[in-house]
Amino acid sequence: QQQVKQSPQSLIVQKGGISIINCAYENTAFDYFPWYQQFPGKGPALLIAIRPDVSEKKEGRFTISFNKSAKQFSLHIMDSQPGDSATYFCAALDSNTGNQFYFGTGTSLTVIP
Amino acid sequence: ETGVTQSPTHLIKTRGQQVTLRCSSQSGHNTVSWYQQALGQGPQFIFQYYREEENGRGNFPPRFSGLQFPNYSSELNVNALELDDSALYLCASTPSGISGGGNEQFFGPGTRLTVL
Repeated sequence: QQQVKQSPQSLIVQKGGISIINCAYENTAFDYFPWYQQFPGKGPALLIAIRPDVSEKKEGRFTISFNKSAKQFSLHIMDSQPGDSATYFCAALDSNTGNQFYFGTGTSLTVIP
Repeated sequence: ETGVTQSPTHLIKTRGQQVTLRCSSQSGHNTVSWYQQALGQGPQFIFQYYREEENGRGNFPPRFSGLQFPNYSSELNVNALELDDSALYLCASTPSGISGGGNEQFFGPGTRLTVL
């Protein structure tokens, strides 16, 4: 049972374009939603994270949009660059009761010059 | 670089064998989590150790076991290997007893295990 559903599986974007990756969850107890970036041969690295008390968080070119009522959140990468080509994972955690992160299945992003 | 190291980088075993994977956490981090990442999938939580005690476990059978040592290094042991155990195994360290909630997990590069 997939606790966090992620789409699309793969994404190709032109340099300078906007990359959008979406995630949905069912467990309303989740209260921490990070996004991770993973390059081949490397472990995931935290990119940006949000809590459900805000609807948007921006860090540089990366923005998380959060819709609590729809139980959805998304990652927007503005002005996408070839160096952003990687696999992106969303995740969710109920920090009050557990320490188990639930990851999405990943999105392979390719930014073409 | 996060400072979390794992060894070995790659490993090939045959079905039924046992394997030990090692992780050296970032300095000062007293919590370590282990994940299994199958090809094309997201990481799946195996378990977490805090101050040398298991502190939560995902949906993995008992043949997956672990240890954490006083110097915060840790091991993942898998007995009776099955073909489906082939995956990238990641460890992640955290500065305090609770992952998330603002405490970032720092992942190592992983160990690629192939079971033939």
